[in-house]
Amino acid sequence: QKEVEQDPGPLSVPEGAIVSLNCTYSNSAFQYFMWYRQYSRKGPELLMYTYSSGNKEDGRFTAQVDKSSKYISLFIRDSQPSDSATYLCAMSPQSGGSYIPTFGRGTSLIVHP
Amino acid sequence: DTGVSQDPRHKITKRGQNVTFRCDPISEHNRLYWYRQTLGQGPEFLTYFQNEAQLEKSRLLSDRFSAERPKGSFSTLEIQRTEQGDSAMYLCASSLLSPSDRFFGPGTRLTVL
Repeated sequence: QKEVEQDPGPLSVPEGAIVSLNCTYSNSAFQYFMWYRQYSRKGPELLMYTYSSGNKEDGRFTAQVDKSSKYISLFIRDSQPSDSATYLCAMSPQSGGSYIPTFGRGTSLIVHP
Repeated sequence: DTGVSQDPRHKITKRGQNVTFRCDPISEHNRLYWYRQTLGQGPEFLTYFQNEAQLEKSRLLSDRFSAERPKGSFSTLEIQRTEQGDSAMYLCASSLLSPSDRFFGPGTRLTVL
C-alpha cells in the first residue's frame, strides 16, 4: 500500500460544476498538506497549502484536511475548462526543515464546456 | 523570468550514454529538490540540497545517478549508463523556508532509446 492514495480518474464534469478531489494517506506524521495543479508536459504549480487539520479557502478553491480520518479534499467551485489538468495531492512531515513531500499519483480532471 | 528553469527541456539519448541536466533555482532559494515523474504517476523524490550540502537521497537514486550543487546556486543531475527505465520527466524545485514557497521548474523530459 502506498503512503498516499489518489484516484487517477479521469474525472469529467460540465462547466460550472463543483469538483471534489480526494486523497487518503497512511502516515500519521504528515503535517503539511498541499495541492498542486499540473498541466500536460509542465511542472506542478502549488495551488493550496494547509498545516495540520482544518479548512482553507482561496477564491474558487477550498482545501480540507481531516487528520483523524487521514483524508484530504480539494473542492473547486464553478469549474472552468481552464481547470482541466492533473491535480496532485502532496504531504510531508516536519523533518529538519526539508519538508520533503510525498505525492499522490494525481487525478486527471476534464471540465467540458 | 524569475522562476525555476531547467535545461534542456527535452533529451533523447541511446541506452548506455551519460546525460546531464541543469536546474537554476529562484535566486534567493537555498533549498533545491530533484524529482522524477513517470507517466500517470506523481513526482518521486530523488534528492535534496540545502545550499551546497546534499542532505537527503532517496533509495531511488542508484549509483548511476549523481547530483551536485557546487556553489549553492544551480544544480546538475547526471545519469550514467542510461537505461530505458530512466525515461521520465526530471523535475527540479526550489524553496526558501516552508512548503508554501516551493516552486517547480518545467522539467526535463528524458527519452532513452
